[in-house]
Amino acid sequence: QVQLQESGPGLVKPSGTLSLTCAVSGGSISSSNWWSWVRQPPGKGLEWIGEIYHSGSTNYNPSLKSRVTISVDKSKNQFSLKLSSVTAADTAVYYCARSGAVYGDYRGWYFDLWGRGTLVTVSS
Amino acid sequence: QSALTQPASVSGSPGQSITISCTGTSSDVGGYNYVSWYQQHPGKAPKLMIYEVSNRPSGVSNRFSGSKSGNTASLTISGLQAEDEADYYCSSYTSSCYVFGTGTKVTVL
Repeated sequence: QVQLQESGPGLVKPSGTLSLTCAVSGGSISSSNWWSWVRQPPGKGLEWIGEIYHSGSTNYNPSLKSRVTISVDKSKNQFSLKLSSVTAADTAVYYCARSGAVYGDYRGWYFDLWGRGTLVTVSS
Repeated sequence: QSALTQPASVSGSPGQSITISCTGTSSDVGGYNYVSWYQQHPGKAPKLMIYEVSNRPSGVSNRFSGSKSGNTASLTISGLQAEDEADYYCSSYTSSCYVFGTGTKVTVL
């Protein structure tokens, strides 16, 4: 079955760029699905960051849009997140997730598969 | 967009039914049938429990059900079990984006 695995540095310095990758195994990233990043600060709720389709189309959370870039690498079957100008407020567990099947004109808007998450701490 | 509003906590005894509300606006919950619900145990990733207001994914117990009225969606857990103790989040589509609820901690007494 399809599995997602996040990877990347667990510690990022303030004002730096957070970079994470989500590897898709057991299935193709070019399948008819969108792929998302979601984060959760320690002890707090979930926040959607953005999503990408294998074509390269993206949607971003307006509150983070100026700092976020999500890209896809079909040759490696993975997608990535870059968040710039980070502060301590960006410290969180970052999850990648599958975010919506596409069938013709239909598009699902829910997260049906999640990675295990990776904690990223912003600190000097 | 603002987070959807959920009660901070809900509790019930084993076997009872509880309902968690998720209140938004006509721009999100009230405007589309794209409300989903997630269960999250401590230290674990969220798990999809309900999608498109009332649909259950394969493998999710039929003790979980969803509904919507106006700008408020609800998740009902019937026959409450110890394993249902977890955090629950709603989510809705809005303007090519997702918005999550504030989260509800369910305690089984």
